Amino acid sequence: GAGVSQSPSNKVTEKGKDVELRCDPISGHTALYWYRQSLGQGLEFLIYFQGNSAPDKSGLPSDRFSAERTGGSVSTLTIQRTQQEDSAVYLCASSLGAGYTEAFFGQGTRLTVV
Amino acid sequence: SQQGEEDPQALSIQEGENATMNCSYKTSINNLQWYRQNSGRGLVHLILIRSNEREKHSGRLRVTLDTSKKSSSLLITASRAADTASYFCATDVGDSWGKLQFGAGTQVVVTP
Repeated sequence: GAGVSQSPSNKVTEKGKDVELRCDPISGHTALYWYRQSLGQGLEFLIYFQGNSAPDKSGLPSDRFSAERTGGSVSTLTIQRTQQEDSAVYLCASSLGAGYTEAFFGQGTRLTVV
Repeated sequence: SQQGEEDPQALSIQEGENATMNCSYKTSINNLQWYRQNSGRGLVHLILIRSNEREKHSGRLRVTLDTSKKSSSLLITASRAADTASYFCATDVGDSWGKLQFGAGTQVVVTP
């Protein structure tokens, strides 16, 4: 596809369950970003990848959150033992190179923990 | 805390008027970007200004950057109802390449 693709677009899960969110960046983009946005709030930085490595994981809220990227392409954000405060829209973006160029965003995954 | 902080938090104007919003940041940057988010989720890139640039134009958008004051402004001229959206500034922090950090945003409402 031409843009950043995220799946699922919506996810409702029970408290305590694990969830996996997927991001398929634009082909050729080496940088990939994950953000979280609560209702009416700004974007909270979670993690970014340059290729398959993550130079900065400091934004991950707790050790229940992890992310990986394989083949310099698809990334998966995993949240273990979900809590209600994890409910938010999770946004993924990619860019040609870290920082210097515009980031293209997917439409996000709306996660609701009940 | 956020690297970038937008001001005002909300702005309501009529079509044809200009809209100005500001972004302040705390540490040195490599570049500063502005994004728009319509109701929904995806953000759209508007404009990027590098740390050695002072002003940039794109259509009805004008962005200024004052690195001495660590601030930027986004001006939308002759606003339209379709400009109704939230606007975010994002900075690439100088010592952390690729960590693109966003402010809390300015919510702009343009009424016909």
